[in-house]
Amino acid sequence: AQKVTQAQTEISVVEKEDVTLDCVYETRDTTYYLFWYKQPPSGELVFLIRRNSFDEQNEISGRYSWNFQKSTSSFNFTITASQVVDSAVYFCALSGTLISSGSARQLTFGSGTQLTVLP
Amino acid sequence: DAGVTQSPTHLIKTRGQQVTLRCSPKSGHDTVSWYQQALGQGPQFIFQYYEEEERQRGNFPDRFSGHQFPNYSSELNVNALLLGDSALYLCASSLEGTVYEQYFGPGTRLTVT
Repeated sequence: AQKVTQAQTEISVVEKEDVTLDCVYETRDTTYYLFWYKQPPSGELVFLIRRNSFDEQNEISGRYSWNFQKSTSSFNFTITASQVVDSAVYFCALSGTLISSGSARQLTFGSGTQLTVLP
Repeated sequence: DAGVTQSPTHLIKTRGQQVTLRCSPKSGHDTVSWYQQALGQGPQFIFQYYEEEERQRGNFPDRFSGHQFPNYSSELNVNALLLGDSALYLCASSLEGTVYEQYFGPGTRLTVT
């Protein structure tokens, strides 16, 4: 069974502050993928990043950065110098890589973190 | 290049009725997955269709069924609607039964009264 926990239900910051969204996962698969999605009020899920469990290098993309730590089963997401347009619900998700068990055929999502960036 | 499209955008049904939601995958994709997202929750996997067959199913009752057509488009059917079926239904497309690059549609908002 796979599980993703996003303990932060809501976060509110003032524009230009940095903010980190936490994600902790559980899986029995030895290899797996981790994802972050953004869901603005319109409802459509927007893909942000995918990480392979083999690659623990942190990644930076503009104002976004991701910290993957296999030892603590965490995949945290940081927004630097937040902007009002970053306000959305952010989801962490997990998939396995085994077609036989079905873990590769579905994403398991956390419950999401509502980020509000105030002007 | 058209992305994932879903219809209708919104739908209101009465308890006990049946509903059909439709999804067209992104061009070049052959796999369609359906997710249910209740208000304030993360999406929950319903099932995946690949090669016109249901390949994987989440923890949903048999009232939820689907179909995939030869052109890879898909339908989600829900029978005997319950109030608890009110949710945003998301369709996602990908390749060859995997989810490594899964693109989501805008969703269908179903309200059951």
